[in-house]
Amino acid sequence: AQTIHQWPVAEIKAVGSPLSLGCTIKGKSSPNLYWYWQATGGTLQQLFYSITVGQVESVVQLNLSASRPKDDQFILSTEKLLLSHSGFYLCAWGLDNYAEQFFGPGTRLTVL
Amino acid sequence: GDSVTQKQGQVTLSEDDFLFINCTYSTTTYPTLFWYVQYPGQGPQLLLKVTTANNKGISRGFEATYDKGTTSFHLQKASVQESDSAVYFCALVADSAGNKLTFGIGTRVLVRP
Repeated sequence: AQTIHQWPVAEIKAVGSPLSLGCTIKGKSSPNLYWYWQATGGTLQQLFYSITVGQVESVVQLNLSASRPKDDQFILSTEKLLLSHSGFYLCAWGLDNYAEQFFGPGTRLTVL
Repeated sequence: GDSVTQKQGQVTLSEDDFLFINCTYSTTTYPTLFWYVQYPGQGPQLLLKVTTANNKGISRGFEATYDKGTTSFHLQKASVQESDSAVYFCALVADSAGNKLTFGIGTRVLVRP
């Protein structure tokens, strides 16, 4: 069975500080990987997707970047946090294009 | 661009009531459509997936039918339970690469015992 793990579970950071969030998928080879952001009480906004190691496509610009250093790992980062970065960050995986996406447990980020 | 519209922000029901959540979409192609359910503090879970090939999805007592004529994908359940209280999102994939999942604003369903 496939498992998806996100770290950390929650983070409180200061405005202007750097950030790195991680996601690991186990039990599935070469999945498509995705990052989403969700404001409290809001909808999900897709940020990035990757269909292979080393290749990441940006969907929306939010002063964030993403990388896929390994087949099973997806990293979301920024060098300088903004207040507007607060929210719930979700990683997801999919088998193929047009396939359903399966979400991880999420990371709650609070920027003060 | 592609979009999904959920008009109901919140629906309040009693147990055994009928649930209906409205969802319409706008796209220049024939999308693949999804319903996701999200419980507090968790990531969304896939509830249903429907394509132009199968037109109807059924899962856990929920069903949704893909209507190309009215560009709708409404979610229904005949008899809700308190455990169905959650936020329900309609979503679609319609871009040529098949990777951009666009979500509606979500409908919060509260089922009172």
